Amino acid sequence: DAGVTQSPTHLIKTRGQHVTLRCSPISGHKSVSWYQQVLGQGPQFIFQYYEKEERGRGNFPDRFSARQFPNYSSELNVNALLLGDSALYLCASSLYESAGSPLHFGNGTRLTVT
Amino acid sequence: QKEVEQNSGPLSVPEGAIASLNCTYSDRGSQSFFWYRQYSGKSPELIMFIYSNGDKEDGRFTAQLNKASQYVSLLIRDSQPSDSATYLCAGEPGSARQLTFGSGTQLTVLP
Repeated sequence: DAGVTQSPTHLIKTRGQHVTLRCSPISGHKSVSWYQQVLGQGPQFIFQYYEKEERGRGNFPDRFSARQFPNYSSELNVNALLLGDSALYLCASSLYESAGSPLHFGNGTRLTVT
Repeated sequence: QKEVEQNSGPLSVPEGAIASLNCTYSDRGSQSFFWYRQYSGKSPELIMFIYSNGDKEDGRFTAQLNKASQYVSLLIRDSQPSDSATYLCAGEPGSARQLTFGSGTQLTVLP
């Protein structure tokens, strides 16, 4: 079975631009979460979606938004990019919505903002 | 104050030794705990999860949880050079589907 797939793998943008990152969960997984990982730190929670509804949001500005589609894939959008948005963006899926169900991460999208 | 703290690394152990990775957490609402392994430039890979106090074993890995002391650990027996990676500890409250990660401990297993 395919794991969590993310696209693109790498992206270079300039400050002020907009970016869209995409994620397809493991087949059968209905919950998708997004995390940001800055070099040298652990991932930080951005969003969780389940059945197309936002179930949780981390401490990120409104420039960050996301959505989930009927096929459970998801997009993360970041507007007005800042240099500090440079990071590895990880998508994770889980079988259940509830806490405790292990998260399985994709390979990530490495975003560089210049 | 960080909610999940991991013992400062880097940690080096000889091949065949036991590697001990430790983690403490401040949120008493945390119910589930996860250990992920992350190779350089790669994404985190789930190794183990534990919900109940005590030990949980899976092959060479043993996770230990002590909720009274707010302490989680991961033991790797018979360490191999391929175990060299950064190990991330994460906690999750019972009420929300979001993990809080520590900064990770870099482990090097010396041949």
